[in-house]
Amino acid sequence: DTGVSQNPRHKITKRGQNVTFRCDPISEHNRLYWYRQTLGQGPEFLTYFQNEAQLEKSRLLSDRFSAERPKGSFSTLEIQRTEQGDSAMYLCASSHHRDRTTEQYFGPGTRLTVT
Amino acid sequence: QQQVKQSPQSLIVQKGGISIINCAYENTAFDYFPWYQQFPGKGPALLIAIRPDVSEKKEGRFTISFNKSAKQFSLHIMDSQPGDSATYFCAASPRNTGNQFYFGTGTSLTVIP
Repeated sequence: DTGVSQNPRHKITKRGQNVTFRCDPISEHNRLYWYRQTLGQGPEFLTYFQNEAQLEKSRLLSDRFSAERPKGSFSTLEIQRTEQGDSAMYLCASSHHRDRTTEQYFGPGTRLTVT
Repeated sequence: QQQVKQSPQSLIVQKGGISIINCAYENTAFDYFPWYQQFPGKGPALLIAIRPDVSEKKEGRFTISFNKSAKQFSLHIMDSQPGDSATYFCAASPRNTGNQFYFGTGTSLTVIP
């Protein structure tokens, strides 16, 4: 399977715990995006990387959230001190950046439930 | 503030009919407009996309119509099938930025056999 993969697919955690999600992009893609999707809504942009550099963060990404993409390959998204409002689907997408906007391909997502 | 407004919220169509979903935007910096299909529990899958230099793009049963002056674009699904039942999202991305996508709120399509 050469698509975007995300692990775990589901995560249930108690409020206050830390969680980490992983995304493996399509191998030749140099851009990687994280989005959050709540029930009944479209995905909302969180942050993106070009290779290993994190170039933009949304205001939605509070200081409890951190993302990394070491060596420009896979990426991790960590949420510290989880809150019930963090419950959502966390989606990763990747693209091959050229001069103009290009297609983003999404992974299956990680569904987080904070109890 | 919702950058891309999508309607209707839900749509029921008979098998073989035409499904039409509309989106509108204000930001003239947007230069890429994709449509995504999402099934429950899955990530969004790219269906079709258009740039503002053309007014229409067709791929199989899916057509995007784009009206640059009105800042509107729509997805038409011809000969709708029960397997098309899903949630559809329009999106837009501005040029010369990180190319983040701004998504609409989604349309839940049900195709009745």
